Amino acid sequence: DAGITQSPRHKVTETGTPVTLRCHQTENHRYMYWYRQDPGHGLRLIHYSYGVKDTDKGEVSDGYSVSRSKTEDFLLTLESATSSQTSVYFCAISEFERGPATQYFGPGTRLTVL
Amino acid sequence: SQQGEEDPQALSIQEGENATMNCSYKTSINNLQWYRQNSGRGLVHLILIRSNEREKHSGRLRVTLDTSKKSSSLLITASRAADTASYFCATDAQGAQKLVFGQGTRLTINP
Repeated sequence: DAGITQSPRHKVTETGTPVTLRCHQTENHRYMYWYRQDPGHGLRLIHYSYGVKDTDKGEVSDGYSVSRSKTEDFLLTLESATSSQTSVYFCAISEFERGPATQYFGPGTRLTVL
Repeated sequence: SQQGEEDPQALSIQEGENATMNCSYKTSINNLQWYRQNSGRGLVHLILIRSNEREKHSGRLRVTLDTSKKSSSLLITASRAADTASYFCATDAQGAQKLVFGQGTRLTINP
């Protein structure tokens, strides 16, 4: 999976608790993305990063925050998880400067909020 | 909002037949990509076609792009059981560094 790992791979948590998902890459790619995938909605962009400490919102950013203090790590935090955030979360990376933005995906994290 | 809309949402064919999936989009693009997702896995890039290209081939894959109709099609020839997966189109209408994915076509190849 192109040197991308996500942790944890599965998590069950309760409403109101904070949750942090981690994406780690070994490719030294500049761009990193967080998506959520839900039935009937395909993949929707939550946040993305275009460099260390440079992030921007995506289509469904409410209730999520991100941080990128190192090139290789991109963290997604749910400050207070809600049941509507039950989903499968995918991280992706891209090296846009070398051509069109083909993205490489991690294996995903299945999050269940009870 | 979704930029790409795939059609059909689900497709079931016999092994050896050809599978065709379609994608329509709303705004101008620089390129369009197709991805495959096996059950429980992340997406894998299949092929990219630029806006100035009309057709592209990669192995058993053939992609066409009609920018006047804002549509693309993905043809998989001589399908195999291993082609069973969901297929997504993705466009870069919001800037080349971001992609917008459609909802996907679920393809089932029956032995």
